[in-house]
Parts: sequence; structure tokens; C-alpha cells
Amino acid sequence: AQSVTQPDIHITVSEGASLELRCNYSYGATPYLFWYVQSPGQGLQLLLKYFSGDTLVQGIKGFEAEFKRSQSSFNLRKPSVHWSDAAEYFCAVGARGGNKLTFGTGTQLKVEL
Amino acid sequence: DADVTQTPRNRITKTGKRIMLECSQTKGHDRMYWYRQDPGLGLRLIYYSFDVKDINKGEISDGYSVSRQAQAKFSLSLESAIPNQTALYFCATSDRTGYDYGYTFGSGTRLTVV
Repeated sequence: AQSVTQPDIHITVSEGASLELRCNYSYGATPYLFWYVQSPGQGLQLLLKYFSGDTLVQGIKGFEAEFKRSQSSFNLRKPSVHWSDAAEYFCAVGARGGNKLTFGTGTQLKVEL
Repeated sequence: DADVTQTPRNRITKTGKRIMLECSQTKGHDRMYWYRQDPGLGLRLIYYSFDVKDINKGEISDGYSVSRQAQAKFSLSLESAIPNQTALYFCATSDRTGYDYGYTFGSGTRLTVV
């Protein structure tokens, strides 16, 4: 069965600082991988996804993520965080040929001005 | 109008009451999902449906039932609500392939069972 671990429950960064949110997955083959963001009172919005090919994927709002097969990781990064990036971030994994996503427990990002 | 609309946005109900959460979509997607979100637990799948005649249990279906009234409508019912069903509930849709564009989520229904 597929699973996702987001080891950081809360992260606080200063505005303008770089950001990396960690995601580790468990799956027997190369999975589909996603990052979603949830702003307060909102649903989840897709930031980026990885299916195959280039292991560095670009998403919306200046985010990127790198798939590292050897580490079973798909960490989310942003070079310079803006106050509006404060939100909860979810990593998700799906099996190729499967039918549903499994989500991590989320990382709450706080941005200090 | 939102692509995926959930009603109500907020609901407080009493233990033992039956309650229905509704989801409608204008995406034209075949697949629809119900998830619940609890602090520290992320999103967990309750039920999913690939078309009107195809409904499947997710990992936490006990205490819930669903109805796919049409391609665009997918309702979640709590037959006899209990306090540990207090949570934020999300409906999501995806296209036939499931993953090409990820899920589209509704804004959620915050349910409180007292």
C-alpha cells in the first residue's frame, strides 16, 4: 500500500528566506506525486505534480519540487517565501494505474515578517 | 461559480441526527471523492465513485454512506452522527484518467457534532 510521511508538522520561516518542506513516500514503483496547498478556510489547490521525466518540476506561485528515487522523497522548495505563502501544505501519492490519492498529514507553514 | 460546490459550508448537528453533505461539480469529471480532514491526520478517503453506478469504500467508510445522483452530484450522509465525526469534509473530482490534472477540491464543509 502507498503511504506518505511529512515529518514536519509546523515550520516557521522569515519572509524572504528559502523554504524546503519534506515529503517521503512509500510505494513499490515510481508513483505519481503531488503537492497541494490549503489556505485558511479554503479547499486544496494543486501546486505541482510529478509523473515522469525531469525530476525537477516547476509549479505555480514560484514553487518547485524534486523527485529523488533513491531517497523516496519529493521535497517542495521555494527560494524566497512571501507572507502570502502561509498555509498548510500536503504531499500526496498515487499509484500508477490506481484510482485514488493518499495524502500526508500536512505541514503548517508560518511566515514571520 | 466554483467548479466544485459543497453545501452547507458549516453545520452544527446533534448526536444521533442524520445529516447529508452535498457536492456538485461543473468540471464534467467522472470521478468524485469524499475526504475528511482532521488536525494532525491529513485527509482520509471516505468514499469514491467513478461513475453513477460505481461506488467504492475508502479507508474510513464506517458510519457514512454516499449517493451518486448524477454525474455531477455526489452526496455524503451520516446516518446517525457522533461527536468523533466532527471534522472538515472535502469533496473532490478528477477526470477519467484520475491523475493528469490532479484533483479539484471544493471549499469544504465544516461539520460539528455536539
